[in-house]
Amino acid sequence: DQQVKQNSPSLSVQEGRISILNCDYTNSMFDYFLWYKKYPAEGPTFLISISSIKDKNEDGRFTVFLNKSAKHLSLHIVPSQPGDSAVYFCAASRSLTLNAGNNRKLIWGLGTSLAVNP
Amino acid sequence: DAMVIQNPRYQVTQFGKPVTLSCSQTLNHNVMYWYQQKSSQAPKLLFHYYDKDFNNEADTPDNFQSRRPNTSFCFLDIRSPGLGDAAMYLCATSTGTRTNEQFFGPGTRLTVL
Repeated sequence: DQQVKQNSPSLSVQEGRISILNCDYTNSMFDYFLWYKKYPAEGPTFLISISSIKDKNEDGRFTVFLNKSAKHLSLHIVPSQPGDSAVYFCAASRSLTLNAGNNRKLIWGLGTSLAVNP
Repeated sequence: DAMVIQNPRYQVTQFGKPVTLSCSQTLNHNVMYWYQQKSSQAPKLLFHYYDKDFNNEADTPDNFQSRRPNTSFCFLDIRSPGLGDAAMYLCATSTGTRTNEQFFGPGTRLTVL
């Protein structure tokens, strides 16, 4: 059962325009969400995150929006640049135990391949 | 720069021949993870260490083992690689705090002949 879903396998956007990548989740226990970017033959790179107590987090050209009632988050990239072309993974986490230093797992979506065309 | 290093970047082994992948980190993070990623799929967590505590995922085959001799190093041992084990293997670290931001190495691409 896919708890984190990225329903668009690919997205193509013109340089300078906005890229919107979507992510839906099913588990209401998730309390932290992260976006990673991955270039071919490299490991994922952390991009931006958001806590469930917030509805927006912004970092430069990247903004993540969280709609808890809809169990939906989105990543906005404005303006999009050709160097943003990569696979973007949405991931969610929740605590597994109540102990201090509890372990957390990331539950990953399948990714969206973004192509920004010059 | 603090980082996660994986060696080798590319590994070729023969069917059934044991192979070890290594990961080191200069971040001094408590948690180290091993993921397997195949094309067009999400990273799949195999296991992780919180300090010396080993946590195996329920669906990780027994063919995969791990060692963490100290904070900085973690190894992935594949005892008898099969063709289906060909994949990118990613090592990641985190502080183990609530945010669980994980820092990934560049990965090791394993080919099984």
